[in-house]
Amino acid sequence: SAVISQKPSRDICQRGTSLTIQCQVDSQVTMMFWYRQQPGQSLTLIATANQGSEATYESGFVIDKFPISRPNLTFSTLTVSNMSPEDSSIYLCSAGEGQGLQPQHFGDGTRLSIL
Amino acid sequence: DQQVKQNSPSLSVQEGRISILNCDYTNSMFDYFLWYKKYPAEGPTFLISISSIKDKNEDGRFTVFLNKSAKHLSLHIVPSQPGDSAVYFCAASGLVLGQFYFGTGTSLTVIP
Repeated sequence: SAVISQKPSRDICQRGTSLTIQCQVDSQVTMMFWYRQQPGQSLTLIATANQGSEATYESGFVIDKFPISRPNLTFSTLTVSNMSPEDSSIYLCSAGEGQGLQPQHFGDGTRLSIL
Repeated sequence: DQQVKQNSPSLSVQEGRISILNCDYTNSMFDYFLWYKKYPAEGPTFLISISSIKDKNEDGRFTVFLNKSAKHLSLHIVPSQPGDSAVYFCAASGLVLGQFYFGTGTSLTVIP
């Protein structure tokens, strides 16, 4: 299975600033995803990162707040923009082939705290 | 609207006994179901899966059962070991390519 590395693993940020999270996969994958896990909650899909085109966002998430890049088949970034304390969460990157019955594999996540 | 539900936030089991974790879903279009295990400060790790054409899948100490008519799946761990202590998430897919829906997790504690 793919090995997924996320950076940074954690950060503490000031209100109003932005942070970019990087996700690197050790092999080419068809699909990459970004999730958010708020305290005590489930994993919620933010968007599907599409290689070479704009990301596909889920209801409640918008590109201005969470811009995503995916320049190639092994790398993606998620930016959390104009942060507020409500953005304090764990952000997780996952990757999968997206076809057939295949699991997604996850990075260790980025624990983000906004002051 | 939560399409995948885990109604038990926590479960404690004695070492060597069976752990049974439950999951319910609402959408009959789901065709692939998974269990993930998550330790603190780590990402979820894929554990076992089952497609909708089966009702049981076994991998070592882990067995997943699927009851499509009841829209229910369960994970059995036998025998339970202290290293199994973690949060377990069930997930379902099949509506949109690659899109998984996760439950809220059950925290399992295996008591030595």
